[in-house]
Amino acid sequence: AQSVTQLGSHVSVSEGALVLLRCNYSSSVPPYLFWYVQYPNQGLQLLLKYTTGATLVKGINGFEAEFKKSETSFHLTKPSAHMSDAAEYFCAVTAGGSYIPTFGRGTSLIVHP
Amino acid sequence: ETGVTQTPRHLVMGMTNKKSLKCEQHLGHNAMYWYKQSAKKPLELMFVYNFKEQTENNSVPSRFSPECPNSSHLFLHLHTLQPEDSALYLCASSQEVAASGNSGANVLTFGAGSRLTVL
Repeated sequence: AQSVTQLGSHVSVSEGALVLLRCNYSSSVPPYLFWYVQYPNQGLQLLLKYTTGATLVKGINGFEAEFKKSETSFHLTKPSAHMSDAAEYFCAVTAGGSYIPTFGRGTSLIVHP
Repeated sequence: ETGVTQTPRHLVMGMTNKKSLKCEQHLGHNAMYWYKQSAKKPLELMFVYNFKEQTENNSVPSRFSPECPNSSHLFLHLHTLQPEDSALYLCASSQEVAASGNSGANVLTFGAGSRLTVL
């Protein structure tokens, strides 16, 4: 079975600062990894995904994530935070032929002016 | 209309009422999901339908009754709910891929949710 741990339920950054949201996974087989974002009063939407190939994955809105197998991590980054990035971010994993993703508990990103 | 549409967006009901949540997708997907999202709790998978057949029931109380008449529509029938059932109920759909090399890269498309308050 797979699992996901998101370190930090809240991350606070200033506008223009680097955003780093941490995600570690556990899987006995090669995983597929996802980041979703949820804006207030909305459902989740896909930011980016890693399947195979290049380990640095670029997503929408300037976000990117790097798959590091040795560290079992898939951290999400953005060089410069914008006020509109304030939202809840969820890391998810599927593996072993199961098509139902396992979600992390979510990290709330707060952006200060 | 495109994407996943959920109605109603907000619902207030008493514990003795019977109501239903509706979800509709126009993406040609074959799998549909119900999730419960409560404050301070992880996203909880409730039910999964694959080609109209229920494939997952995550120990959900019988006061929640799903219905999937076709691959485009999913309902959640509610009766005799408790105040702790108050939450955001999210519907999602995906292109289910059978056992194949890409079977794990399953991207879910979510609706905006139905905010349920049980008095």
